[in-house]
Amino acid sequence: QVQLQESGPRLVKPSETLSLTCNVSGDSISSDYWNWIRQSPGKGLEWIGYIYYRGTTDYNPSLRSRVTISIDTSKRHFSLNLKSVTAADTAVYYCAREKRGVNLPTWYFDLWGRGNLVTVSS
Amino acid sequence: SSELTQDPAVSVALGQTVTITCQGNSLRTYYASWYRQKPGQAPVLVIFGQNSRPSGIPDRFSGSYSGYTASLTIAGAQAEDEADYYCHSRDGSGSYVLFGGGTTLTVL
Repeated sequence: QVQLQESGPRLVKPSETLSLTCNVSGDSISSDYWNWIRQSPGKGLEWIGYIYYRGTTDYNPSLRSRVTISIDTSKRHFSLNLKSVTAADTAVYYCAREKRGVNLPTWYFDLWGRGNLVTVSS
Repeated sequence: SSELTQDPAVSVALGQTVTITCQGNSLRTYYASWYRQKPGQAPVLVIFGQNSRPSGIPDRFSGSYSGYTASLTIAGAQAEDEADYYCHSRDGSGSYVLFGGGTTLTVL
């Protein structure tokens, strides 16, 4: 059974860099799109960015200047770095696998991690 | 525009049918997928593609389309269906991931 698990600090100081890793177990990481998504308390889902297994990335334009996503297929994990954080970055951070439909114009997240609540506070 | 729009809240009587909608220009190009999220839990995929359900999702969940609008229908809503529902697609270029703002479903 394929599982995703986020790991990283739960508390980050303002102006520092938030770093999270998503470990993939039960399958290889050599296909599909690997995403980071966050959810501020009481709010909806916000896409942060993805990395394709071949290394191509794309990011939410509102976060692009502060975000880097990387992947290590041999270690079966991908990572998020979000720099210069503020209290507005306090959220549950999810990693998720996004698949593209076969012969159909569709995309879907079939696997999610359980989420990692990160609080930005001094 | 690159947005998906959902009604913030919908309610349904127990056992009745409810439809949650998602509007956006990109839905002329891509099918939406739908997720159910209960408090304190990660989202769970319930519908993807034209009208496909992952294993384990009851057949009372279905999807449909009309123009720029995707719809999620729950036929015979149960108490356990009370949750937030989100739609997802990509923008028209296929580059950016889009989420609707979410719809809170209350089962009365």
